[in-house]
Amino acid sequence: DAGVIQSPRHEVTEMGQEVTLRCKPISGHDYLFWYRQTMMRGLELLIYFNNNVPIDDSGMPEDRFSAKMPNASFSTLKIQPSEPRDSAVYFCASRSRAAGANVLTFGAGSRLTVL
Amino acid sequence: AQKVTQAQTEISVVEKEDVTLDCVYETRDTTYYLFWYKQPPSGELVFLIRRNSFDEQNEISGRYSWNFQKSTSSFNFTITASQVVDSAVYFCALSLNAGGTSYGKLTFGQGTILTVHP
Repeated sequence: DAGVIQSPRHEVTEMGQEVTLRCKPISGHDYLFWYRQTMMRGLELLIYFNNNVPIDDSGMPEDRFSAKMPNASFSTLKIQPSEPRDSAVYFCASRSRAAGANVLTFGAGSRLTVL
Repeated sequence: AQKVTQAQTEISVVEKEDVTLDCVYETRDTTYYLFWYKQPPSGELVFLIRRNSFDEQNEISGRYSWNFQKSTSSFNFTITASQVVDSAVYFCALSLNAGGTSYGKLTFGQGTILTVHP
């Protein structure tokens, strides 16, 4: 199993630019999560999907952030326009309900730096 | 609201020492899950253990052991005979077990940086 795959691993961009982070969950997993890790706020949940449908986006910081899951094998997190305070590591995680409640498998993360 | 506190920001030990990472949680719910995740220098988050609030039995897995005490709302993690490869950031986390929208909504502690010196 290839695990959760995220791209890009590193992204450096300038303020105001659009950023798109991508995630491929583990095949067969029906839940997908986006978390953000910063020094100030630690790890926080942004949004999660069940069977490609967004269930809870209460953690999305503001309208500049959007997430989609067009199919079971792909999700994107978009920031437009980006700001320096968006600099963080963004993790995607997936979960199979059959595997046991709440055991998430995380990707390696996408480190975003906004200058 | 839930809260997880890992009071130890950084711990430094010498190889072969035992080390305990503390975790204290707050929740008003009676059913919940507790977790430990490891984040090695490579950056990914690796699942270590999940404990159901109904199960207060301690668990041992190799050099790792976990002590869950509901009376003190603690879920501590001990590494016996630490090794350099144990150097990482360790996160304790809490999730409700209420079904539906609770799945996967982990509340993480701030993490403890463990450094094991040779």
